[in-house]
Amino acid sequence: DQQVKQNSPSLSVQEGRISILNCDYTNSMFDYFLWYKKYPAEGPTFLISISSIKDKNEDGRFTVFLNKSAKHLSLHIVPSQPGDSAVYFCAAIAGGTSYGKLTFGQGTILTVHP
Amino acid sequence: ETGVTQSPTHLIKTRGQQVTLRCSSQSGHNTVSWYQQALGQGPQFIFQYYREEENGRGNFPPRFSGLQFPNYSSELNVNALELDDSALYLCASHLGQGIYGYTFGSGTRLTVV
Repeated sequence: DQQVKQNSPSLSVQEGRISILNCDYTNSMFDYFLWYKKYPAEGPTFLISISSIKDKNEDGRFTVFLNKSAKHLSLHIVPSQPGDSAVYFCAAIAGGTSYGKLTFGQGTILTVHP
Repeated sequence: ETGVTQSPTHLIKTRGQQVTLRCSSQSGHNTVSWYQQALGQGPQFIFQYYREEENGRGNFPPRFSGLQFPNYSSELNVNALELDDSALYLCASHLGQGIYGYTFGSGTRLTVV
């Protein structure tokens, strides 16, 4: 039972363009969402998060949008840079930030071409 | 400030054997959570250790067990290894039972043959 789904295994974009990574979830109890980036041979590193009481959170080139009615969130990277090439995971938590169990999606491999 | 350290980085075991993976938490963190990441999948929560006790468990059988020590480092033990246990095992240390300071290690790649 995949409660968090990233339906695009890979995404390829040109440097300077926008990258949009998508994530869908099924569990209505999820109330906090995070995006992680992972390089080969490294652990996932936190990128940006959003609480279910918001619909947008921005941090520099990264913006996360949450559509609760559609149970959908997306990560926008503008402008994309070659160093952004990595695997991106969407993760969700039920019970807010006080509970440390993350449920991850399968990941999307982002490749940014110079 | 040291990060999260996992050892060993790679390991090959035979089906039926037992394995112990180790995780040193980041300075100031008192909780460790363990995840299994199979090839092509996202990490799956195994369990969390807080104050030396298991505090939450995912959908993994009892042959997956763990320990946390007074210095907050942790071990993941897997008995009776199966081929499907081949995966990257990640630990994350953090402060308290929530996600404050959640920091992942680089993982241990376990191959069961």
